[in-house]
Amino acid sequence: QQKVQQSPESLSVPEGGMASLNCTSSDRNFQYFWWYRQHSGEGPKALMSIFSDGDKKEGRFTAHLNKASLHVSLHIRDSQPSDSALYFCAAQGSNYQLIWGSGTKLIIKP
Amino acid sequence: NAGVIQTPRHKVTGKGQEATLWCEPISGHSAVFWYRQTIVQGLEFLTYFRNQAPIDDSGMPKERFSAQMPNQSHSTLKIQSTQPQDSAVYLCASSRTSAETLYFGSGTRLTVL
Repeated sequence: QQKVQQSPESLSVPEGGMASLNCTSSDRNFQYFWWYRQHSGEGPKALMSIFSDGDKKEGRFTAHLNKASLHVSLHIRDSQPSDSALYFCAAQGSNYQLIWGSGTKLIIKP
Repeated sequence: NAGVIQTPRHKVTGKGQEATLWCEPISGHSAVFWYRQTIVQGLEFLTYFRNQAPIDDSGMPKERFSAQMPNQSHSTLKIQSTQPQDSAVYLCASSRTSAETLYFGSGTRLTVL
């Protein structure tokens, strides 16, 4: 049973538009949620983490966490072609283990 | 800071041969992880070291896979008798502590013919 589910699997957004990615957990023991981004040929790179209910903004990226529904989202405003990548959501409990979602492929169309 | 360094970037082996993958974590990072990435399975945890000590190898396929961290500057992942299903990108990551941001290397793409 996959504990972290991401949607959609693939998303196409016009340049300058807003991209919204979703992640749902099935385990209330998770305390931290991470968003990582992976460009082709590279390893994943951390974008941001969130552990409190509400929004966390870093530049063009905003993460939103709702602990009651175990839902976390990532919103990218003013999307750029360089934002085209595979985006992973990962959840972490009290130990070292990160539980990874299967990823959302984001394509930004010029 | 060069980041996490993995070598080689690409490795091609014949079925039944051995493959050794290398990882140099970021200096000062106490946590080192190995992952395997495929299109079908996504990111799979393999093993975790803390301060060079093996902590968790629950993701390692038994018998043919082994990982070591002989010193704080490098870790190796060895796959004996490689099989076509071992073909994947193997990623090494390090972090200052296990609760902090993971920094990944660019990975080693292993192809088993």
